[in-house]
Amino acid sequence: DAGITQSPRHKVTETGTPVTLRCHQTENHRYMYWYRQDPGHGLRLIHYSYGVKDTDKGEVSDGYSVSRSKTEDFLLTLESATSSQTSVYFCAISAPDRGQYFGPGTRLTVT
Amino acid sequence: AQTVTQSQPEMSVQEAETVTLSCTYDTSESDYYLFWYKQPPSRQMILVIRQEAYKQQNATENRFSVNFQKAAKSFSLKISDSQLGDAAMYFCAYRSPYRNQFYFGTGTSLTVIP
Repeated sequence: DAGITQSPRHKVTETGTPVTLRCHQTENHRYMYWYRQDPGHGLRLIHYSYGVKDTDKGEVSDGYSVSRSKTEDFLLTLESATSSQTSVYFCAISAPDRGQYFGPGTRLTVT
Repeated sequence: AQTVTQSQPEMSVQEAETVTLSCTYDTSESDYYLFWYKQPPSRQMILVIRQEAYKQQNATENRFSVNFQKAAKSFSLKISDSQLGDAAMYFCAYRSPYRNQFYFGTGTSLTVIP
């Protein structure tokens, strides 16, 4: 298994509170991604990073921000959580000329 | 942006039989990769098979094989000798050479009937 972890694995939070999800890799890969998975939508890209301090938006980036200050960590922040952000969040890394490898996912519930 | 379409939300197959899952994509790029991922109830995303666009030969991994039709932009997954452990959600994915971005289909839920 690729060395990729996510924390926390489960979180319940209230509307309006900030939330940060962490993705950590031990593979030293350049590319890292955050997705959300919702029924009927598959995986949708929130943000991705193509290097330290290099990030860009995906298709569902509104309400989310990211930071990558070192190769191994990619943080996803919900500045003010809303119920529509209740979802399962996956972090992924991409090896050159290969597919993506995913973390175990974080189930976030916003009440 | 590229699009990936999986037109079969659900499929079922008898144990030991063969099933084919469909995927089509839309792109104007020439250098890309295609993938199939499996997501069992554990929720873990597992890479099943990959195909480089420049290769004409269809990829094979044990009981899993693909039918890659580049001109038709079609990338189907064939599972032979289906097993109960194959029951899962299957996602087709496209990898763009631009910043290594990935695009996923909405998935096909596969049920294996004993």
